Amino acid sequence: SQQGEEDPQALSIQEGENATMNCSYKTSINNLQWYRQNSGRGLVHLILIRSNEREKHSGRLRVTLDTSKKSSSLLITASRAADTASYFCATVDWKDWSSNTGKLIFGQGTTLQVKP
Amino acid sequence: GAGVSQSPRYKVTKRGQDVALRCDPISGHVSLYWYRQALGQGPEFLTYFNYEAQQDKSGLPNDRFSAERPEGSISTLTIQRTEQRDSAMYRCASSRGTERNTEAFFGQGTRLTVV
Repeated sequence: SQQGEEDPQALSIQEGENATMNCSYKTSINNLQWYRQNSGRGLVHLILIRSNEREKHSGRLRVTLDTSKKSSSLLITASRAADTASYFCATVDWKDWSSNTGKLIFGQGTTLQVKP
Repeated sequence: GAGVSQSPRYKVTKRGQDVALRCDPISGHVSLYWYRQALGQGPEFLTYFNYEAQQDKSGLPNDRFSAERPEGSISTLTIQRTEQRDSAMYRCASSRGTERNTEAFFGQGTRLTVV
């Protein structure tokens, strides 16, 4: 099953511009994570934000979480051609966290193209 | 090992054959997950192990799919009597599991094609 939706589905920007991707989910979550997937490669963890956090930074990444709206956003500042990839949000439900499975439920992803 | 290792990387099989996909998690990782990913989609949860115990198999599509992790390390996902609709990328992930808010490390996946 998929958790929710990400938007936009595809985004094309110039190098140096900022990229913002949004993720909506449906359930009560313990945490939300963002992953990147380069073409033909595996998924790489970018950042994790807990349900009691509102904003988190990691290098050029900024993630926000609004649990009242059940949504999150990922901002990549000063984008580079190497940021071209698909970006997925993934959530861990409270019920799964409580039962110690911690399974990640992924969204459909946003495909980002950064043009040099 | 250095990362999560999956084998084979590519598998082409005829419809009706059984296949076994292997996952070798990061050494010491307690939690192991199997996902399936169709082209252009996000990964879809299949099953989860905590050590050798299969604690969640709610994502397995039907009884042709099974998974095991007998010694709490290497895991095998088996698909019996494969069908064309089983064609997908199968991904394995592992995590430390001692804290439940931890990142998952994914393998490169096994691309399964059923012809």
